[in-house]
Amino acid sequence: DAGVIQSPRHEVTEMGQEVTLRCKPISGHNSLFWYRQTMMRGLELLIYFNNNVPIDDSGMPEDRFSAKMPNASFSTLKIQPSEPRDSAVYFCASSLSPGGSTDTQYFGPGTRLTVL
Amino acid sequence: AQSVTQPDIHITVSEGASLELRCNYSYGATPYLFWYVQSPGQGLQLLLKYFSGDTLVQGIKGFEAEFKRSQSSFNLRKPSVHWSDAAEYFCAVGARTGGFKTIFGAGTRLFVKA
Repeated sequence: DAGVIQSPRHEVTEMGQEVTLRCKPISGHNSLFWYRQTMMRGLELLIYFNNNVPIDDSGMPEDRFSAKMPNASFSTLKIQPSEPRDSAVYFCASSLSPGGSTDTQYFGPGTRLTVL
Repeated sequence: AQSVTQPDIHITVSEGASLELRCNYSYGATPYLFWYVQSPGQGLQLLLKYFSGDTLVQGIKGFEAEFKRSQSSFNLRKPSVHWSDAAEYFCAVGARTGGFKTIFGAGTRLFVKA
């Protein structure tokens, strides 16, 4: 298995632009997670899906952020409009168990986002 | 409330020395416990996990962790650290009450000196 796949690996954009991050989870995994990691705030869970349904989006910072999972093999995280404070590394992860609570979460390599 | 505390933000050890990273959790039921490692520029990778049974669990890369219910701790250990172990280490608890989720600690960054 190729593991969790994220694209792009790096994204540089200007403030106000729309950014879309993509994730392909491991086949057969039921839960998908989006995390954000910064030096100041550490690792933050933004949202997670179970069986393509958003379960907990309490970590989504504000309305500028949205996430979708149209099918079991694809998810997007969109930021519109982007701001410099959104600069971070965004990780996608997937797991067999709901919320990753009883099984391993497999992380993708991350997308490093820089908003100028 | 459910929580995970890693008291040490960073630790420096000499290569070849032993290592112990501390983790304390707060959870009302029997916890599922995890240690993940993040090498620079990479995503997190599972080192080991504890669900039940023997309270001393072995993981990859020569790491082990011991679950101590009385102390609500799940400390990570390695008898002899290698330079390649320099990374950030995250302790996590799998919560199954109030919704399924994983709660991560803030992480401990390990520096290894020659």
